[in-house]
Amino acid sequence: DTGVSQNPRHKITKRGQNVTFRCDPISEHNRLYWYRQTLGQGPEFLTYFQNEAQLEKSRLLSDRFSAERPKGSFSTLEIQRTEQGDSAMYLCASSSTTRRELDYGYTFGSGTRLTVV
Amino acid sequence: EDQVTQSPEALRLQEGESSSLNCSYTVSGLRGLFWYRQDPGKGPEFLFTLYSAGEEKEKERLKATLTKKESFLHITAPKPEDSATYLCAVQDRDDKIIFGKGTRLHILP
Repeated sequence: DTGVSQNPRHKITKRGQNVTFRCDPISEHNRLYWYRQTLGQGPEFLTYFQNEAQLEKSRLLSDRFSAERPKGSFSTLEIQRTEQGDSAMYLCASSSTTRRELDYGYTFGSGTRLTVV
Repeated sequence: EDQVTQSPEALRLQEGESSSLNCSYTVSGLRGLFWYRQDPGKGPEFLFTLYSAGEEKEKERLKATLTKKESFLHITAPKPEDSATYLCAVQDRDDKIIFGKGTRLHILP
């Protein structure tokens, strides 16, 4: 297992189009987080899953954003009707809850950089 | 509401010049406080987890400490390869993880 994989690495889209990103976590990890990061800022929490259940979603997240994790494996994040303000790096992180996972932190992917033109 | 504030925003040091980064936090039921390193264009890389006041952890030139209201990341005799953004994050009782804005550290050779 080579870590958390995110695809695509870069996405350029026109305003108003829909985009979907994929995250493949480390295989034995049952917890998965999505974050958004803009230049000069820390990662901003969007949502997280334990297995296939979406446990929490940020109040800041508009209805245009939706995330799924079918079968508790990979996850997708979809943004509908993109706006220029959606331009950011979208990060995925995973962890296990079957051991004292906090000792090992969360493993992040390299992110998907979205540019809305 | 959970909040994490890091200072300074940016720090320039000469190689070998030790210093500390600060992370102040308010959280509903701290499950853990994390330090991460982030290089440009990459995802954050895990450094430490601290759980309770008084705890310390070390890794090479880095040492993290925790009190009830803040955490410090001490950097001893830094090298240019330590240049990065250092992020602090807290995990609350609902397992939500909130990050600070980070400290951009630049070590001059």
